[in-house]
Amino acid sequence: EVQLVESGGGLVKPGGSLRLSCAASGFTFSSYMMNWVRQAPGKGLEWVSSITSYSSYIYYADSVKGRFTISRDDAKNSLFLQMNSLRAEDTAVYYCARDHAYSNYYWGQGTLVTVSS
Amino acid sequence: QSALTQPASVSGSPGQSITISCTGTSSDVGDYNYVSWYQQHPGKAPKLIIYEVSNRPSGVSNRFSGSKSGNTASLTISGLQAEDEADYYCSSYTSSSTLGVFGGGTKLTVL
Repeated sequence: EVQLVESGGGLVKPGGSLRLSCAASGFTFSSYMMNWVRQAPGKGLEWVSSITSYSSYIYYADSVKGRFTISRDDAKNSLFLQMNSLRAEDTAVYYCARDHAYSNYYWGQGTLVTVSS
Repeated sequence: QSALTQPASVSGSPGQSITISCTGTSSDVGDYNYVSWYQQHPGKAPKLIIYEVSNRPSGVSNRFSGSKSGNTASLTISGLQAEDEADYYCSSYTSSSTLGVFGGGTKLTVL
């Protein structure tokens, strides 16, 4: 059974940093592109970042480019999102998802990030 | 990156069929068969119901179907049931730097 479990969310002040983690199990993690998707309270979904297998290619939404860094540790079946220079508009539930044909095939339960003073 | 365009809301009665549209551009929906659809109930994570325009993941009801014409993709739900009441999002591969883009979401109300 595929499982994705996010962690690392919390309350952070504007300008602060946070590192999200996603622990994967139930599939060969190294073989799949992985994505981060977020959802601000009461709003729609936003594709945040993607990382291909072997970290060959990395993609970011314009809204987070230069501030967020996606990475993966295939030995530990883990996906990460380092978030720096956080803004109020980054407040959202962050989901990690396993990709298949550029769709988010499996989702985690999400972790809430709140940016507020 | 501009989001794909979906109607804000649709409604239908139990047993009826409804269709949700998703309009993009030639940089996403129009040029690639990588359109997916998600169902999200309140407080829950989204669930994939259609990928690659018209494929259903294992376990998804065949009441859900997808199609595409030009720059517009569509999700049809037949035989509406109360449990179908949820938010629905489309998504597409995009040749922009993001790789993926979502629609704004459509709230389905089952009357």
